[in-house]
Amino acid sequence: QSVLAQPPSASGTPGQRVTMSCSGSSSNIGSNTINWYRQLPGTAPKLLIYSNNQRPSGVPDRFSGSASGTSASLAISGLQSADEADYYCAGWDDSLNGVLFGGGTKLTVL
Amino acid sequence: EVQLVESGGGLVKPGGSLRLSCAASGFTFETYTMTWVRQAPGKGLEWVSSMSTVNNYTFYAASVRGRFTVTRDNARNSLYLQMSSLRAEDTAIYYCVRDLGDYFDYWGQGTLVTVSS
Repeated sequence: QSVLAQPPSASGTPGQRVTMSCSGSSSNIGSNTINWYRQLPGTAPKLLIYSNNQRPSGVPDRFSGSASGTSASLAISGLQSADEADYYCAGWDDSLNGVLFGGGTKLTVL
Repeated sequence: EVQLVESGGGLVKPGGSLRLSCAASGFTFETYTMTWVRQAPGKGLEWVSSMSTVNNYTFYAASVRGRFTVTRDNARNSLYLQMSSLRAEDTAIYYCVRDLGDYFDYWGQGTLVTVSS
């Protein structure tokens, strides 16, 4: 079964660096690129990282992505209270012939 | 400025039908694949359907295949989602998104569909 597994929660203090993982399989991360979306409370998601490690215009370099094998990760440095949000990884899955989203990680800034 | 504005959501009984619309502006609509993504209340994101510009090819999630139909009208810069045989589990906010391959660079604000008797 095709799944992108994300830890349900993560936390950090202001200024800290936090990382979030996204674990998949050969049919998704292992053969396609991963993208990350951020959803602030009560708003629509926004693209944060695409093609594993590319930042859209306007996204600060505090945000970085990486992928290796069947896992991907998102790192946020210089954590701010405004970074409190849900973070989703997503990518094409060859078995599903469609886009697969992870379950999301809720980031809390303590 | 890219804008995607969804409409057509509302309350519908199980087994009923509903048609969602997405009005696009600020870009050359006919050159982009367009996609619907949904989010059940308090839950994560789920890809629903995509429609490409190449031969208007369509893709559907297994959960909606055979019940939902995605169409587009390039002359009206609009994307549609015809939903039939609706179930309680189809209750969600439905987002219209611009699709750049396998990632989505612009999202609408969403329209809420509630399936309940």
